[in-house]
Amino acid sequence: DGGITQSPKYLFRKEGQNVTLSCEQNLNHDAMYWYRQDPGQGLRLIYYSQIVNDFQKGDIAEGYSVSREKKESFPLTVTSAQKNPTAFYLCASSMGQHGNTIYFGEGSWLTVV
Amino acid sequence: SQKIEQNSEALNIQEGKTATLTCNYTNYSPAYLQWYRQDPGRGPVFLLLIRENEKEKRKERLKVTFDTTLKQSLFHITASQPADSATYLCAAQGGATNKLIFGTGTLLAVQP
Repeated sequence: DGGITQSPKYLFRKEGQNVTLSCEQNLNHDAMYWYRQDPGQGLRLIYYSQIVNDFQKGDIAEGYSVSREKKESFPLTVTSAQKNPTAFYLCASSMGQHGNTIYFGEGSWLTVV
Repeated sequence: SQKIEQNSEALNIQEGKTATLTCNYTNYSPAYLQWYRQDPGRGPVFLLLIRENEKEKRKERLKVTFDTTLKQSLFHITASQPADSATYLCAAQGGATNKLIFGTGTLLAVQP
């Protein structure tokens, strides 16, 4: 089945540690996105990529990094510089950026311990 | 700044009634509005997209309207069922940045 796969579903991070969330899609979509969701807040855009080897910062990019070496993959690294990383992270993709449906993965829960 | 607002209070309705959810936008003119359903601990699922030159869009029991004068979109679920209980997210896209901006969502609870 086509879709977006995020892993792991649950992840615990120690203080000062970097962690990487995986996102893979087999929908042949050009655009990929990372969102963060906190209780009572809308989805906030962290990074997005319109094409391989290119990506742009979203609204809350500080403390995060991404790469887009393959069309299917868009991993997100939560660095130690992100002071409040506990949240629900959603990866998504779309055919293009303009007026296209966005397909989401099942999300990853990150907790700082 | 560009803003999308949805009712933060949960909407409780009886099974069989029509649920109406509201999405208001300020400080820009989106070219598209999208509605998604999100269940607890899951990723959002796309439901409907409506363009600025469309007044209304329907899909089975779902209907979306787009009023550029009121700067508002309404999302209707007719003959609601308990299985429709979820959080519904509105998202708008357009303007100079063309970013997709999400509202905080409205929780719908359909009582049997």
